[in-house]
Amino acid sequence: NAGVTQTPKFQVLKTGQSMTLQCAQDMNHNSMYWYRQDPGMGLRLIYYSASEGTTDKGEVPNGYNVSRLNKREFSLRLESAAPSQTSVYFCASTSGSGLNSNQPQHFGDGTRLSIL
Amino acid sequence: SQQGEEDPQALSIQEGENATMNCSYKTSINNLQWYRQNSGRGLVHLILIRSNEREKHSGRLRVTLDTSKKSSSLLITASRAADTASYFCATGGSTLGRLYFGRGTQLTVWP
Repeated sequence: NAGVTQTPKFQVLKTGQSMTLQCAQDMNHNSMYWYRQDPGMGLRLIYYSASEGTTDKGEVPNGYNVSRLNKREFSLRLESAAPSQTSVYFCASTSGSGLNSNQPQHFGDGTRLSIL
Repeated sequence: SQQGEEDPQALSIQEGENATMNCSYKTSINNLQWYRQNSGRGLVHLILIRSNEREKHSGRLRVTLDTSKKSSSLLITASRAADTASYFCATGGSTLGRLYFGRGTQLTVWP
């Protein structure tokens, strides 16, 4: 009954370091998303994957890259971390394909990332 | 700019009272969704109401949608301390493409 699993839960990086946030879902969903959540800003979409093998930019993609490794896994990479990327990152998935905003999204518990 | 905006930003009530949160949006939608987020956790889907529906119930939750006013409300009846969380509305539909989340209402229910 795992749903959406994100690792790690917490991470502290120094400016310029790189890291990959991992996300896996076990619900056989086609679409997966990466959001960041900052105080007073709500959720902002970074990247999404409408189906296995495809990825597209959301509203705040700069400084990030993604990989849809297979149907289950969707990773987010910070190549050169900056303090402005300090945030809580959430992965989500939904059935259907495309941006598909007509279905509920299922969220992981987030990765809390601090960039010093 | 945000598609959906919740009001109030924060709400504090006693256990047993009802809690009402509102959401206003700007463009045409196919559906509106409400989510709950407990501290330190991810968002959890509560209820989805489609644009051709006016009211929907789920347990102690009642959601209304007024497309003419571009607004929705979430009512939690007989609140419990465990209802303490942030509540987000999200709007979706083919013209919007993706789901847009508001900034949320922080609900605190005191025992």
